[in-house]
Amino acid sequence: QLQLQESGPGLVKPSETLSLTCNVSGVSISSSSYYWGWVRQPPGKGLEWIGSMYYSGSRHYNPSLKSRVTLSEDTSKKQFSLKLNSVTAADTAVYFCTRGVTRLLDAFDIWGQGTMVTVSS
Amino acid sequence: DIQLTQSPSFLSASVGDTVTITCRASQGISNYLAWYQQKPRKAPKLLIYATSTLQSGVPSRFSGSGSGTECTLTISSLQPEDSATYYCQQPIEGLTFGGGTKVEIK
Repeated sequence: QLQLQESGPGLVKPSETLSLTCNVSGVSISSSSYYWGWVRQPPGKGLEWIGSMYYSGSRHYNPSLKSRVTLSEDTSKKQFSLKLNSVTAADTAVYFCTRGVTRLLDAFDIWGQGTMVTVSS
Repeated sequence: DIQLTQSPSFLSASVGDTVTITCRASQGISNYLAWYQQKPRKAPKLLIYATSTLQSGVPSRFSGSGSGTECTLTISSLQPEDSATYYCQQPIEGLTFGGGTKVEIK
């Protein structure tokens, strides 16, 4: 069964690095039919795209976060990861990992349940 | 990046009503427009992709239309379980979401 599951610390101190992993089950993350992304949602607010990674190896990032974000993958473990450095309270949010599908004109069809990350000392 | 503006930001309607949500893009997005439904404390769910194509398993009372810079999501015969926030999204230049429309059932 296709499933995405985020994991990582729920509390990060200001100025430190937020690190999350998305475990993928039921599909290969090496397929050219898909791309993999991160989206976040601050409490009570809307959705914000963080970045996406593609089969070709390319990475696309939200310009407002680009200087602080790194996406990577471990195909052997069927995982992809997000690192966001120099965090502040403004980075407090629910973080979702998601799958984009080229056949669906790049829409996100599968989402993880989300993981809440709080930035606080 | 392309900006998406949704309207209204909130609407309240009765069971059985037809409601329409509009998403305006700051420039043309071809057919690359998706709609998502999000209920409290849940992940978004894909409803429509390619402006008007219903995702598998989504009830037919949901429909999408539009072209150029304006798209709409219509919910016909509104049901209690449609109470949620709806977002449009484009991936064609950068990737952006609309600000969301909260739908309340009276």
